[in-house]
Amino acid sequence: DIQMTQSPSSLSASVGDRVTITCRASQGINRWLAWHQQKPEKAPKSLIYGASNLESGVPSRFSGSGSGTDFTLTISSLQPEDFATYYCQQYLSYPLTFGGGTRIEMK
Amino acid sequence: QVQLQESGPGLVKPSETLSLTCTVSGGYISDYKWNWIRQPPGKGLEWIGDVSYSGTTNYSPSLGGRVTISIDTSNNQFFLTLNSVTAADTAVYYCARRRTNWPFDSWGQGTLVTVSS
Repeated sequence: DIQMTQSPSSLSASVGDRVTITCRASQGINRWLAWHQQKPEKAPKSLIYGASNLESGVPSRFSGSGSGTDFTLTISSLQPEDFATYYCQQYLSYPLTFGGGTRIEMK
Repeated sequence: QVQLQESGPGLVKPSETLSLTCTVSGGYISDYKWNWIRQPPGKGLEWIGDVSYSGTTNYSPSLGGRVTISIDTSNNQFFLTLNSVTAADTAVYYCARRRTNWPFDSWGQGTLVTVSS
């Protein structure tokens, strides 16, 4: 199985901050990586696919980068609606696997 | 726009079988892989498995052969069966859609299943 490791597991930030979350795969996954956002009591919402492609309707303050084993999700200017938990997920091979999540909390 | 809706019992006794249905509306069930994902309370996401239109399945090895996913294309539904459940299977269960070599693009709202006597 491909293990996905996210860091940090949580962070505190303020509106307007630039936030970066990292995700590392236990083996190379090229760019077969997605990022999902989950708010409390809600289903996850897909933000980014192919490591850097924004899903339709996702604000441009979100960006993704990386290839191989190391990836980042960046929020350029944190907005109130961005306080949530973010998961990376590889879809190169079965079993599909998620990172442990990064919770963004209000400072 | 496709919508997915999970349904099934919210309470299952230990050692019994968990059975859930995902009903797909507003889209074709062909050309996609139909997935089950779960999330224990306060924890992260775990992929359970998927089924294609043709009935081909893939499962997570972590569930030790207890899981079966099937599909009813005539009624736009797919199903999850998990045998011999324990308290560790208590989770919100989501159904989700993806194409081959694509990530999930649509999710159900999720349904909480509690395993307890």
